[in-house]
Amino acid sequence: DIQMTQSPSSLSASVGDRVTITCRASQSISNYLNWYQQKPGKAPKLLIYAASSFHSGVPSRFSGSGSGTDFTLTISTLQPEDFATYYCQQSYSSPYTFGQGTKLEIK
Amino acid sequence: QLQLQESGPGLVKPSETLSLTCTVSGGSISSSNYYWGWIRQPPGKGLEWIGSIHYSGSTFYNPSLKSRVTISVDTSKNQFSLTLSSVTAADTSVYYCARRGDATYDYWGQGTLVTVSS
Repeated sequence: DIQMTQSPSSLSASVGDRVTITCRASQSISNYLNWYQQKPGKAPKLLIYAASSFHSGVPSRFSGSGSGTDFTLTISTLQPEDFATYYCQQSYSSPYTFGQGTKLEIK
Repeated sequence: QLQLQESGPGLVKPSETLSLTCTVSGGSISSSNYYWGWIRQPPGKGLEWIGSIHYSGSTFYNPSLKSRVTISVDTSKNQFSLTLSSVTAADTSVYYCARRGDATYDYWGQGTLVTVSS
């Protein structure tokens, strides 16, 4: 199985900050990397697919980059509604594994 | 707008079989472009991919669960289903159904909590 490792596991930031979350795959996954946002009690929502493509309706302050084994999700200017848990997922090969999550909290 | 809705018992006894159904509305489950999958999340923990199915019947399963999991599809009802046998407390989770398109899960159900307890 491909292991996905996110860092940090948790992060405190303020509204208006720029935040970056990283995701590392245990082997090359090309650009088969997706990012999801999950709020408490809700299903995950797709933000970014294929490492850097925006899902419909996702604000432009979210961006993704990377290929191979190293990927990043950046939120350029944090908004109050962005405080949530973020997961990366590889879709290169089955089983389609997730990272352990990064909890973004208000400072 | 595509919608997915999970249904099934919220409580299952240890050693018994968990059965859930996902009803798809606002789109056809018989589209060749998509797989339909199940993902679960233990309380307070991360996400685990369980498996997925194409309307043709082609399936992929997580090897860690493969011996206990079956995913099936009923195109006449626009539904797909999950069965997980010999459950234990470790199977207590919120179970999500989702659509897989463009190598990503783009539409999700709201999730249903299944508790394994006697």
